[in-house]
Amino acid sequence: AQKITQTQPGMFVQEKEAVTLDCTYDTSDPSYGLFWYKQPSSGEMIFLIYQGSYDQQNATEGRYSLNFQKARKSANLVISASQLGDSAMYFCAMRERSFGNEKLTFGTGTRLTIIP
Amino acid sequence: GAVVSQHPSWVICKSGTSVKIECRSLDFQATTMFWYRQFPKQSLMLMATSNEGSKATYEQGVEKDKFLINHASLTLSTLTVTSAHPEDSSFYICSATPGLAGGNEQFFGPGTRLTVL
Repeated sequence: AQKITQTQPGMFVQEKEAVTLDCTYDTSDPSYGLFWYKQPSSGEMIFLIYQGSYDQQNATEGRYSLNFQKARKSANLVISASQLGDSAMYFCAMRERSFGNEKLTFGTGTRLTIIP
Repeated sequence: GAVVSQHPSWVICKSGTSVKIECRSLDFQATTMFWYRQFPKQSLMLMATSNEGSKATYEQGVEKDKFLINHASLTLSTLTVTSAHPEDSSFYICSATPGLAGGNEQFFGPGTRLTVL
């Protein structure tokens, strides 16, 4: 069963507009963490934002915010005032414990293209 | 943030040869390192988890005899693709975590692009 679901394979957004990238997750573990990473064409994984399952407030990091709706098991990434440099693949990931190790499971990603 | 390096950044090899990829944590000690594989236009798939000084834990479907992982020190893990074939061509990414003391965050290396001819 898919543990992390990103339903938007691709998105096109006008520069300076806000954009929301969807992510839903499935876990029975009460303690987990949710991450968003950006992967430009060069390939490196750039950490954007983190939300812990027990965090009361939505995480924010500069232009990035995470809309965490625990009951709906969703963790959408919101990018405000998009810039051309935001064009990249975006991956949602969940950290959970498995056989004593903590591991990350990634979604299939969303390719975001910012249009000038 | 913490820095993780990978070497080489890209490699081209002939079918049947073995290729070693290094992953180093440059400014922290990594209790655990992870190896991922990413095929073009696909997501990262965890291959194995390695703890320093112990055998790696491989994910289902990953051949441990083909993808040899060694985590001999707290700053270095290596992935050796043995008898590589064209279907092993992929982008290999490692990550490292300092463990509970460092919040268990994973820091990613820049990746190694392997092309097997």
